[in-house]
Amino acid sequence: GENVEQHPSTLSVQEGDSAVIKCTYSDSASNYFPWYKQELGKRPQLIIDIRSNVGEKKDQRIAVTLNKTAKHFSLHITETQPEDSAVYFCAPSNDYKLSFGAGTTVTVRA
Amino acid sequence: NAGVTQTPKFQVLKTGQSMTLQCAQDMNHEYMSWYRQDPGMGLRLIHYSVGAGITDQGEVPNGYNVSRSTTEDFPLRLLSAAPSQTSVYFCASINPGAYEQYFGPGTRLTVT
Repeated sequence: GENVEQHPSTLSVQEGDSAVIKCTYSDSASNYFPWYKQELGKRPQLIIDIRSNVGEKKDQRIAVTLNKTAKHFSLHITETQPEDSAVYFCAPSNDYKLSFGAGTTVTVRA
Repeated sequence: NAGVTQTPKFQVLKTGQSMTLQCAQDMNHEYMSWYRQDPGMGLRLIHYSVGAGITDQGEVPNGYNVSRSTTEDFPLRLLSAAPSQTSVYFCASINPGAYEQYFGPGTRLTVT
């Protein structure tokens, strides 16, 4: 099965600074690369995704970059705000089956 | 549209009891799946279905059964509950052309 590693496991940033989370995967057949945000007690929410034929995608303060050769993709959050505090998961997918990383707990300090 | 709904929201079982977690979606999605999330971890795929009458195992299928008699419903059965099955269970559906998975609100299950 897919082996997914996420780094770092925790991240504390000052409000207004940037945050970067890296996800490494093993299955070269993976073709869909989403990032989910999960707040305590809630369901995972898709915040951004990218397909294998695209190298970068941006949506306001959030961006995802993909390096298929090296089998990793990263989440970039700029101008962080307190509401960005949550657990973030990468979940590379092959044939619609998501393989979740262990998560990164992001804390934005005011 | 209600999206993906799950019942119950909370459940406590004793070891050895059986029960069914319900999942329904009204988006006419062919693909549905069940995940479990243990504390401090990511979600893990239990079973999935690519359409009515078709199911397959995911990463952690032992102790669970599924069936898919209609497009809308995808119930998950715990055959004989064990404390190791204490977890939060999420159902999801997907429109294959769009890739995005829609998650239900989850069922928090405790087995004592």
